[in-house]
Amino acid sequence: SAVISQKPSRDICQRGTSLTIQCQVDSQVTMMFWYRQQPGQSLTLIATANQGSEATYESGFVIDKFPISRPNLTFSTLTVSNMSPEDSSIYLCSGSYQGHTEAFFGQGTRLTVV
Amino acid sequence: AQSVAQPEDQVNVAEGNPLTVKCTYSVSGNPYLFWYVQYPNRGLQFLLKYITGDNLVKGSYGFEAEFNKSQTSFHLKKPSALVSDSALYFCAVRVVQTGANNLFFGTGTRLTVIP
Repeated sequence: SAVISQKPSRDICQRGTSLTIQCQVDSQVTMMFWYRQQPGQSLTLIATANQGSEATYESGFVIDKFPISRPNLTFSTLTVSNMSPEDSSIYLCSGSYQGHTEAFFGQGTRLTVV
Repeated sequence: AQSVAQPEDQVNVAEGNPLTVKCTYSVSGNPYLFWYVQYPNRGLQFLLKYITGDNLVKGSYGFEAEFNKSQTSFHLKKPSALVSDSALYFCAVRVVQTGANNLFFGTGTRLTVIP
C-alpha cells in the first residue's frame, strides 16, 4: 500500500484568501484524486490530478476555484482559492496504482474559513 | 449513474456481539466494491474489496463482507465487535465499464461499540 502524506493537516483561514494543500506519496502512483468531505457528509470527488496536464474536474468544480498541479507521479497540490466559509471541509488526497483496484488516502486537511 | 446507499447513519452494538453495517449499490455495469474506515481526525483506511470470485471477502481487523448480486448489497460484518472498532465506515463502488478509476462513496455509517 502507499503512504500518502498531506500538509497542512489543518488550517484556519480568512475569507478571500487561498490555501494550497500538498500531497506526497511514498511511491509512484498511476492515479491521484482530490476529494472533499463536508462536515458530517460523505466524500465528493473534486478532480483527477493528471501528471503533466490539466486536471479533470467533476461537475460543480472548476479550475479557477480549485487549481490542481501534478508535476510528477508522487506529488500533487490542490489550491482552494478565494475562500468562503462554505469551503470549510476536509480535503483528502487519494492515490492508486496501475492494476490495483483500491485507492489509498492521506490523512486529510481540515480547513476552516472564517 | 452509479450510487451507493448506506441506510443507517448510526449503528450501535455491544462489545463482543456481531456487527453488520449495510450497503447497497446501483450501477450500470459490473461493480468493484470497497469498504473503508475513518477514525477521528484521520484519513480513510482500506478494509476490504470485492472484485470477482468468492462472494465472501475477508479484510483487515477481522472484518468481512458478502457480495450479493441479486440484492445488490455488500454488507460489512464482524463476528465479535471491539470498542476500538468504533469509527465511521464508508462503502464505495467503482464501475469497471466506465473506465473511471475514482470511487463513489456512500454517506457513511457511524459505528459505536458499547463496552
